[in-house]
This record gives sequence, C-alpha cells and structure tokens, in this order.
Amino acid sequence: EVQLVESGGGLVRPGGSLRLSCAASGFPFSSYWMSWVRQSPGRGLEWVAKIKQDGNEKHYVDSMKGRLTISRDNAKNSLYLDINSLRVEDTAVYYCVRTITPGGNGIYAYWGQGALVTVSS
Amino acid sequence: EIVMTQSPATLSVSPGERVTLSCRASQSVNSNLAWYQQKPGQAPRLLIHGAFTRATGIPARFSGSGSGTEFTLTISSLQSEDFAVYYCQQYNNWPPRYTFGQGTKLEIK
Repeated sequence: EVQLVESGGGLVRPGGSLRLSCAASGFPFSSYWMSWVRQSPGRGLEWVAKIKQDGNEKHYVDSMKGRLTISRDNAKNSLYLDINSLRVEDTAVYYCVRTITPGGNGIYAYWGQGALVTVSS
Repeated sequence: EIVMTQSPATLSVSPGERVTLSCRASQSVNSNLAWYQQKPGQAPRLLIHGAFTRATGIPARFSGSGSGTEFTLTISSLQSEDFAVYYCQQYNNWPPRYTFGQGTKLEIK
C-alpha cells in the first residue's frame, strides 16, 4: 500500500524558514517523480514543486520561486521541501503527492495526509 | 498561467439525482485534465484523468468528458458519500505550471 506521511509543519514567524519532510513507503520511491501541492482557503489548491527521480531536475511554482528548494533522499525514501522567507500567505496545508505513473505527468493519484504550516506573528 | 474556472461554486442536489459539473480552461489543455473529490478533513482523491479515464476503484457512476477548454464531470446517480467538493486540474504544460479550479461544492438539498 502506498503511504506518504508528511511532517515538519507548525507555527512559523513571518520571514522564518521551514523544512517539510515526506516519508514514502509501499512503492519504489526512486522510480517516481514526486511533488508538493498546497491548499489554503485563500488560494485553493496550488501545485508547488516537483522533482525528478534522480533529483537532477526540479520545477517550482512561479509565485514562490526563489524561496523553495525541493529535494529527495532515495536511500531514505524521503522527500523534502525547504521554504524560506515565509509569508502569511504561505499558510496552508502542504501535501506530498505521487503521480499515477513513474513519469513526470501531473496526475496525482496518491496524497499524504498533509502538514499544516501556519505563518503568523 | 492557465486559469481553470469551475461552475457552479455550489450545487444543492438530492440523492439519486444526476449532476453535471463544469470546468473551463483559459486556453486549450488538450485532454490533460483531472478531477478530484475532497471530503472535509481529507486529502483530495483522484477520480478522473485524461479527461475521461476513471482512476482505479472509482465507481462507474462518475464519468468525465470534454477536451480543449471545456470539460464536465457527471455523476449519474448521487449517493450520500458523493457530497463533497470537486476540483478540476490541468496538467498540460511543460515545464509544469499545473493549475486547479476553485472547486464546486455538492451539498444535500
């Protein structure tokens, strides 16, 4: 069974930084592109970032470019998202997601339970 | 950015009814369109991809149609467990700039 478990969410001050982690199991992690999607009341669902199987190709949403770093550790079956210069509008639930097939399409068949990030002073 | 517009925002329906939800793209996304269902406190669940292909385990009462800029999700006979929020998403661009609609909430009449 595919499982994606996020951690690292919490309350952060504006301007602060955060690392989200996703522990993956139940599938060959190193064979799949992986992504992050976030959801907030104000912005709805928003694709945030994706990373290729070997970590050598990364893509980011334009609105957050320069503040995000997606990375992975295939030996640990783990995905990460570093966010810096956090803003109040970054407050959201961040989901770790996996595509339906190993390729780089955007069909997200598997979602974690989400990690709540709250940016507030 | 491709803007996805869903209508209506809210739909009040009775169990057993047939319902059609609409999704419009600001430019063609070919058939690279997915539908998701989300219930309170849960992550979205993939229903349809490729505009009309049901995901694994999705009941046949869910069907998708359309291509280009106009898409629909039809639920042939609403069950109690279908009351939820439905989102469309395009995944047509490369490099990826995937975007979601704002959602349609199905509520019990």
